[in-house]
Amino acid sequence: TQLLEQSPQFLSIQEGENLTVYCNSSSVFSSLQWYRQEPGEGPVLLVTVVTGGEVKKLKRLTFQFGDARKDSSLHITAAQPGDTGLYPCAGLNQFYFGTGTSLTVIP
Amino acid sequence: NAGVTQTPKFQVLKTGQSMTLQCAQDMNHEYMSWYRQDPGMGLRLIHYSVGAGITDQGEVPNGYNVSRSTTEDFPLRLLSAAPSQTSVYFCASTHSGGSNTGELFFGEGSRLTVL
Repeated sequence: TQLLEQSPQFLSIQEGENLTVYCNSSSVFSSLQWYRQEPGEGPVLLVTVVTGGEVKKLKRLTFQFGDARKDSSLHITAAQPGDTGLYPCAGLNQFYFGTGTSLTVIP
Repeated sequence: NAGVTQTPKFQVLKTGQSMTLQCAQDMNHEYMSWYRQDPGMGLRLIHYSVGAGITDQGEVPNGYNVSRSTTEDFPLRLLSAAPSQTSVYFCASTHSGGSNTGELFFGEGSRLTVL
């Protein structure tokens, strides 16, 4: 059983579409992190959310931490082929990672 | 500034063989860790270290040993490789002692196949 469940596991969309992926848990986290991993490389940190209800924006990416601090979402506006990759979330001092959402953006 | 360097990038072993995956960082980070990544499983923590001379177990430590004699290096040893240890291994480090908000810097990974 995964402590951090991510959905969907796979997502394939056309360039220009919007999308939302989710990171959910039954446990409360003091913070959650989102990473992005390209094939053949290690993950790179995108954002850390620490306050319930917090919303952070990184260009076309919007991250939200749930009010109860059990879940988080990542919304991408006008997806581009460069957004293709795996998006895992992490919690508990990076002790646990979710399985990630594998995103493919088709030109 | 190389960041986190892992060697080798690829390795094939036979069951029962031993080997060491090397990890070095040049950012003077106190905290270092090893993960394995398997399809459908996500990154799973094997061992971690909060400083030289201090190591601890993660979620999946069995079959692996670590040591931390210097701040820069954190090698991962497989004493007797098994096919179940076929995976991609990532080393990571952070300056924040593994705190909730610390940014993990990852190496490029070491792909291990055990036949």
